[in-house]
Amino acid sequence: DAGVTQSPTHLIKTRGQQVTLRCSPKSGHDTVSWYQQALGQGPQFIFQYYEEEERQRGNFPDRFSGHQFPNYSSELNVNALLLGDSALYLCASSPGVMNTEAFFGQGTRLTVV
Amino acid sequence: SQQGEEDPQALSIQEGENATMNCSYKTSINNLQWYRQNSGRGLVHLILIRSNEREKHSGRLRVTLDTSKKSSSLLITASRAADTASYFCATDGFYGNNRLAFGKGNQVVVIP
Repeated sequence: DAGVTQSPTHLIKTRGQQVTLRCSPKSGHDTVSWYQQALGQGPQFIFQYYEEEERQRGNFPDRFSGHQFPNYSSELNVNALLLGDSALYLCASSPGVMNTEAFFGQGTRLTVV
Repeated sequence: SQQGEEDPQALSIQEGENATMNCSYKTSINNLQWYRQNSGRGLVHLILIRSNEREKHSGRLRVTLDTSKKSSSLLITASRAADTASYFCATDGFYGNNRLAFGKGNQVVVIP
């Protein structure tokens, strides 16, 4: 049983560019959440998708957007990248929007130069 | 702001010793979860304890929850070098919904 998978594992982008990160949830899970983890900090909630809609959103600007597909996989898009967007981006899946037991992927390390 | 705050933040122990770390939170919760993270990689789910549970075991892990004190502890018994990692607690319900709020993490180093 595959767990949560994320791609790519590492990414280097230039300030001002746009980036798309991808996530496939654990089998049987239909809810996907995205988190940003800065170096030395705990993960910060970005948003959550369920039934192809954004259900909750953390304190992140509109430059951060997402999408969920019918197969429950999800994308995180960040526009107009800033140096401060450099972080580990983590995807978590859960078996239902009201079930908070979350399983995380290995993350995508984004570096903005 | 962070919901959970682990204490202590850094711990160095000898292999075979027990490691204990604590987490406090501010509001009511449904569940509290502990995660392990190795070298800035993904989070590994260790254990979930529900608000109506007081203690839970999983292998060498023992988690307690005291909702009256709004705190939890994670005990790793007979530590191994492979237990070297950062440990995070995460709570839900802080924002009145089911997203997770994380503390800053405990760095545990197990010396062989």
